[in-house]
Amino acid sequence: DIQMTQSPSFLSASVGDRVTITCRASQTISHCLNWYQQKPGKAPRLLIYAASSLQSGVPSRFSGSGSGTDFTLTISSLQPDDFATYYCQQTYNSPRTFGQGTKLE
Amino acid sequence: QVQLQQWGAGLLKPSETLSLTCAVYGGSFSGYYWSWIRQPPGKGLEWIGEINHSGSTNFNPSLMSRVTISVDTPKNQFSLKLSSVTAADTAVYYCARTIQVWSHTSYYYYMDFWGKGTTVTVSS
Repeated sequence: DIQMTQSPSFLSASVGDRVTITCRASQTISHCLNWYQQKPGKAPRLLIYAASSLQSGVPSRFSGSGSGTDFTLTISSLQPDDFATYYCQQTYNSPRTFGQGTKLE
Repeated sequence: QVQLQQWGAGLLKPSETLSLTCAVYGGSFSGYYWSWIRQPPGKGLEWIGEINHSGSTNFNPSLMSRVTISVDTPKNQFSLKLSSVTAADTAVYYCARTIQVWSHTSYYYYMDFWGKGTTVTVSS
C-alpha cells in the first residue's frame, strides 16, 4: 500500500492567516492526489482533485500543488468556516489510501 | 443536485454481517464508480472499496476476504456487506460517488458527492 503522511497533524492558526498543509506519498503518485475537508459529525467534502484542480463551489482561497511524492494544500486567508480536519488521499493505486489528517484549530 | 441516501442496521453483534445500502438521486448512475469509506471513532478515513455500474470492483486488500459490494443499476443503488464483524469494525460508514478520469498515462479518481454516513456499532 502507498502510505500518505500529512504534516503537521495539528495546526493552530488565526483568521486571516495563510496556512499550508503538506502531504507526502511513500512512492510517486503522479498527480493523483485529492484533498478533503471534514467537520465534526459531517461527511468529508472534496476541495481539490488531481493535485491542483479546484472542485466546483469551493472558495478560491483554497489551492493545491505538487506532483510525484510531495503535495501541499494552501488556504490563502483563513476564514472562520475553515477550522476543520483536512485529509489527503492518493488514487494512483488501490487501495486508495488517506493521510492521517490535519486538524486546523 | 446529486444526493446519496444511505441506510442499514446500526447495531450488530460480533460475527454478524454488516449490510448497508446507498441510493443515488438526481444524477446518472452509469459512468461512475461508487465507493464505501469508513471512519472509526476519533480516527481517520479508510477506503473500503468501489464498484461501477457494470459490477467491476476494487477492494482494500485488508478487508477483501470479508467484503462484498454489489450494484442494482435499475434502482440506482449500491450495497456493502461486511461479514464476521468485530469491535474493530465499529465506525461511521460513508458511501460516495467516485469520478474516474484518464489523464495522459493513468487514471485518477476523486469522490465528489458523499452520503451523510451511518454509524455502525459492533458490541455483544
